[in-house]
Amino acid sequence: DAGVTQSPTHLIKTRGQHVTLRCSPISGHKSVSWYQQVLGQGPQFIFQYYEKEERGRGNFPDRFSARQFPNYSSELNVNALLLGDSALYLCASSLANLNTEAFFGQGTRLTVV
Amino acid sequence: GESVGLHLPTLSVQEGDNSIINCAYSNSASDYFIWYKQESGKGPQFIIDIRSNMDKRQGQRVTVLLNKTVKHLSLQIAATQPGDSAVYFCAERSFQGAQKLVFGQGTRLTINP
Repeated sequence: DAGVTQSPTHLIKTRGQHVTLRCSPISGHKSVSWYQQVLGQGPQFIFQYYEKEERGRGNFPDRFSARQFPNYSSELNVNALLLGDSALYLCASSLANLNTEAFFGQGTRLTVV
Repeated sequence: GESVGLHLPTLSVQEGDNSIINCAYSNSASDYFIWYKQESGKGPQFIIDIRSNMDKRQGQRVTVLLNKTVKHLSLQIAATQPGDSAVYFCAERSFQGAQKLVFGQGTRLTINP
């Protein structure tokens, strides 16, 4: 079975641009969470979606948004990119909303120049 | 506020020795803790978890200890192998209507031959 898949794996954007990152959860998993991992730090929670509804939001500006589709895949959108948005963006899937075990994808490395 | 931190950012051990990675957490209401392993260029990989009603849990070559009195978590790895070299994160689950994991900064474990 495929694990959590994220695309693209690497991305370079210019300040002020917009970016869309994609995530496909493990088959059967209905919850998707997004995390930002700045180099040298632990992942920081951005969003959680379950059954296509936002269930949680971290301390990130409104430039960050996400959505979940009927097939439970998800997109993370970031507008007006800043240099500080450069990070590894991780997607994690879980079976249910409050299911404890979260499985992470390999991440998307975003570089803003 | 929420915070999960680590006492030691780097740890070097000889191959075959046991290693102990420590973690402090601040949210006494947290009921679930997880250790993740992250290798270079990859997403975090689940190692072992423990619920707050337990003091100890063992897996294959790994043991997690939880001391709720001093809000301390540790990961013990027995008979370390070169493949154990990675960054290890502890995380606690924060219940706010969503499955939000709060990660610490991480400890880089290096196994010396």
